[in-house]
Amino acid sequence: DGGITQSPKYLFRKEGQNVTLSCEQNLNHDAMYWYRQDPGQGLRLIYYSQIVNDFQKGDIAEGYSVSREKKESFPLTVTSAQKNPTAFYLCASSTGAVVPVRGELFFGEGSRLTVL
Amino acid sequence: RKEVEQDPGPFNVPEGATVAFNCTYSNSASQSFFWYRQDCRKEPKLLMSVYSSGNEDGRFTAQLNRASQYISLLIRDSKLSDSATYLCVVRSGGYQKVTFGIGTKLQVIP
Repeated sequence: DGGITQSPKYLFRKEGQNVTLSCEQNLNHDAMYWYRQDPGQGLRLIYYSQIVNDFQKGDIAEGYSVSREKKESFPLTVTSAQKNPTAFYLCASSTGAVVPVRGELFFGEGSRLTVL
Repeated sequence: RKEVEQDPGPFNVPEGATVAFNCTYSNSASQSFFWYRQDCRKEPKLLMSVYSSGNEDGRFTAQLNRASQYISLLIRDSKLSDSATYLCVVRSGGYQKVTFGIGTKLQVIP
């Protein structure tokens, strides 16, 4: 079955440590995204990538980094520079059609990061 | 003004009731519209796309009003399993520009 796999599902980190969240998709989608969700808030875009070896900052990119070396993979690193990293992180993908006739996002199950 | 606005609720309705949510968007060039459902501590899942002519899927009806820049979701004969947060999603300016509303929480009570 096609889908998006995020790991780990739960992660605990000490302050000052970098952590990397994995996101893999086998939907053959061009575009991939990382969102952050905090309690009582909507999803906020961290980074997105339209194509391999290219990515763009979203609304809250500070303290995060990404790479897109393969179409299937879009890992997110939460660095120690991120001041409030405790959150629910969601990876998504969509078709990369130039004409966005549909373009719905498909989400992974999310990774819940807690900084101790 | 927020790009996508929703009433966060919660909306508490009895089983069998009909409930409607609205969502307004600010970018008149927006091209695609969706309703997602998110259960507590889970990922959002696509409920339905919203087409210009309106569309229905079982008990769910979605409408788009481009002139007034809002979309709506109507749920008929509410079930306990409909309890969730409903996210309004608007896509504009190319496939990378996707904006989520804060979500409307629905609680269906027996």
